[in-house]
Amino acid sequence: GQQVMQIPQYQHVQEGEDFTTYCNSSTTLSNIQWYKQRPGGHPVFLIQLVKSGEVKKQKRLTFQFGEAKKNSSLHITATQTTDVGTYFCAGPKDGGATNKLIFGTGTLLAVQP
Amino acid sequence: DAGVTQSPTHLIKTRGQQVTLRCSPKSGHDTVSWYQQALGQGPQFIFQYYEEEERQRGNFPDRFSGHQFPNYSSELNVNALLLGDSALYLCASSLIWGRGTEAFFGQGTRLTVV
Repeated sequence: GQQVMQIPQYQHVQEGEDFTTYCNSSTTLSNIQWYKQRPGGHPVFLIQLVKSGEVKKQKRLTFQFGEAKKNSSLHITATQTTDVGTYFCAGPKDGGATNKLIFGTGTLLAVQP
Repeated sequence: DAGVTQSPTHLIKTRGQQVTLRCSPKSGHDTVSWYQQALGQGPQFIFQYYEEEERQRGNFPDRFSGHQFPNYSSELNVNALLLGDSALYLCASSLIWGRGTEAFFGQGTRLTVV
């Protein structure tokens, strides 16, 4: 079945260092979404990418969607303690026109002050 | 504008019992999806409701059932609870049943089966 994998599973950084998580889907996706889940919290939508090769920025966060629309990345510049949490990518099942999301395995980010 | 609300926030049940979880979607949203999130894992899709009908279903047994009401709120029912059903149950609402609309999640119901 369709799988969405993320690496790394866990990353521990010093505050101020950069962080990147990579997302790979076994199928081509019509779009990819990114969510952040703080410890003990619920997933919160960050962004959606639709176009092949698309790059979007939100302050210190940069999101990319691969040319083949099967992979994506999230890069955080100069991490802060507020960035702590698990970052999930998610794509529609079978890559198509549906709101049924297949979530990636997630990357847990720990930031040491 | 209220976001997605779920009740209860925490629940402890015994194996074999039945449980009902509730969700009120974000104002203006008509589609509700339910996810199960085990500790340390990503959310797993259970099913989705739109216009009071189950539209899509994930790989969950028939013990998991749901309902959507005319006001778009939804219930998730789980029968014959197993220890493995212990998880965070998340409700997500979206604007339309269609492509690429972001999901707004509730705070979840933490279910513990003992």
